[in-house]
Amino acid sequence: EDKVVQSPLSLVVHEGDTVTLNCSYEVTNFRSLLWYKQEKKAPTFLFMLTSSGIEKKSGRLSSILDKKELSSILNITATQTGDSAIYLCAVLSYSGGGADGLTFGKGTHLIIQP
Amino acid sequence: DSGVTQTPKHLITATGQRVTLRCSPRSGDLSVYWYQQSLDQGLQFLIQYYNGEERAKGNILERFSAQQFPDLHSELNLSSLELGDSALYFCASSVGSWGGSEAETQYFGPGTRLLVL
Repeated sequence: EDKVVQSPLSLVVHEGDTVTLNCSYEVTNFRSLLWYKQEKKAPTFLFMLTSSGIEKKSGRLSSILDKKELSSILNITATQTGDSAIYLCAVLSYSGGGADGLTFGKGTHLIIQP
Repeated sequence: DSGVTQTPKHLITATGQRVTLRCSPRSGDLSVYWYQQSLDQGLQFLIQYYNGEERAKGNILERFSAQQFPDLHSELNLSSLELGDSALYFCASSVGSWGGSEAETQYFGPGTRLLVL
């Protein structure tokens, strides 16, 4: 059974700090790893990392995929209160006839204190 | 706004009943995915359709079924509802379903909150 584990479960930091969120996975037929941010409602897409794109950056957020260690990190620098959210890691696995869908981790609840 | 729409926004019903949730994907997206999010289980993948055909199945109960219509909108049917079916149901869409490329990036709708009493 595919498995995605995120750590820490919860993190409280002060505005301006840098945080690193971790995601490790055990899946068959890995295709890609995705990071999402979920505030009050629906998840919003942040990054997708694949074998051909193992590092992505957007503003203060960046993510790296380590295919050897079967893990990924999401870094947020100079955090702001608006970064407070649950960050979800998900792995897309593939099964011959098409993508199986996403297996999600439980998420990291990040709280940024002013 | 992701461009994915879901109706209704909220739904309250009784155990044993049947409900239908509706999703319209982003313009141009051929894949639709259904997810269930509950407090104890987190986000779970239910089923995927691509251009009208079922493409992948996740943890979907036999009491649940879905379909994607020729205009690409999708419906998720939940029957013989139980208290444990109370959850937030998300629909997501993507351009394609192959390739490990950006075409697989999924965009989520706002969700339908279902409460079974």
